[in-house]
Amino acid sequence: DVKVTQSSRYLVKRTGEKVFLECVQDMDHENMFWYRQDPGLGLRLIYFSYDVKMKEKGDIPEGYSVSREKKERFSLILESASTNQTSMYLCASSSPVGEKLFFGSGTQLSVL
Amino acid sequence: GIQVEQSPPDLILQEGANSTLRCNFSDSVNNLQWFHQNPWGQLINLFYIPSGTKQNGRLSATTVATERYSLLYISSSQTTDSGVYFCAGNTNAGKSTFGDGTTLTVKP
Repeated sequence: DVKVTQSSRYLVKRTGEKVFLECVQDMDHENMFWYRQDPGLGLRLIYFSYDVKMKEKGDIPEGYSVSREKKERFSLILESASTNQTSMYLCASSSPVGEKLFFGSGTQLSVL
Repeated sequence: GIQVEQSPPDLILQEGANSTLRCNFSDSVNNLQWFHQNPWGQLINLFYIPSGTKQNGRLSATTVATERYSLLYISSSQTTDSGVYFCAGNTNAGKSTFGDGTTLTVKP
């Protein structure tokens, strides 16, 4: 089975802090995704990546950046965390493009 | 991008009942997936079903791509089926658009 692992289940940060959310997949998938999930707003795509060092903006990239230095790892970076970035963050992977998505267990981030 | 609409938004069932969840999408999709999010937040991929019908135990799904909808059937529901069910459509460039979900509560 595909395993997508997110580094933290719960995270509490202060406004203005730089925050790193890490995601690792073990199935050699080319494609990796970061979503955020908020009540009433469903899942929204932040960024995705088709390959190492490649990244594409999703629907809500503002305030975020990403890094993909290795195929199995996709990091989401909040350069200066704000309270409106309090959310559940979900990482996913798939191979090839458009195929079955596998999700990690999520990181609940609270920015105080 | 495509719009994905799910119905009903909420559903309450007695254990043992059957149900049908619907997903409509506004444009042609390359694939259609159904997910179950359990109470702990984990999203599990139930079906990858761009067209046709698939079955997995008490669950089955049908996608009619030409009419831009998909149905998820749950038979003999159990309390462990509770959670939120999402469908997601993918058109191109690997981006999947999710519906707002159907929240299912199965009562014992």
